[in-house]
Amino acid sequence: NAGVTQTPKFRVLKTGQSMTLLCAQDMNHEYMYWYRQDPGMGLRLIHYSVGEGTTAKGEVPDGYNVSRLKKQNFLLGLESAAPSQTSVYFCASSYIPPSYGYTFGSGTRLTVV
Amino acid sequence: ELKVEQNPLFLSMQEGKNYTIYCNYSTTSDRLYWYRQDPGKSLESLFVLLSNGAVKQEGRLMASLDTKARLSTLHITAAVHDLSATYFCAVGNSGGSNYKLTFGKGTLLTVNP
Repeated sequence: NAGVTQTPKFRVLKTGQSMTLLCAQDMNHEYMYWYRQDPGMGLRLIHYSVGEGTTAKGEVPDGYNVSRLKKQNFLLGLESAAPSQTSVYFCASSYIPPSYGYTFGSGTRLTVV
Repeated sequence: ELKVEQNPLFLSMQEGKNYTIYCNYSTTSDRLYWYRQDPGKSLESLFVLLSNGAVKQEGRLMASLDTKARLSTLHITAAVHDLSATYFCAVGNSGGSNYKLTFGKGTLLTVNP
């Protein structure tokens, strides 16, 4: 099915470990986004990309890095995980401009202990 | 900086009643979106409002946009239990090519029998 696929769906990390979250879309969307969702905070933008090879910081970028080497993939990296990064991470993609809003992935639930 | 405020954040309703969720935003925008999120699930697009005075309806939900007042409303008519979910509004910046959405904190709607 067409859409946005996130892997993994669940992960538990120890403080200081690193990991990469993968987002893949097959809709030929130019824009891709990483958000985190925390209780009572809504969704906050971490990083985004307006096209292959480009990335930009969002509202809460510290502690994260991203790469968009291929148009269909957007990777979110945590170099040294901290308990404050325990969250649900959502990837989304859209056309320019997004007349139909974003298409969201199913989310990754990350726990850092 | 674009800020988006939703109210109420929590809403408990009886089946059959009507209510309105409000979404205020702080700067000029040309697009406003409403999303629904069920517990543990991803976000589902409900409405896209693209101009002043726009009104969209789907079943018991109706959304409207007043760009002069920087206000959108999501009206619920004769609520049913299946409408229980968290509802988010999101506003698009008018930042040219660096297009991104800013989300409100969400309204947790519980519809009781």
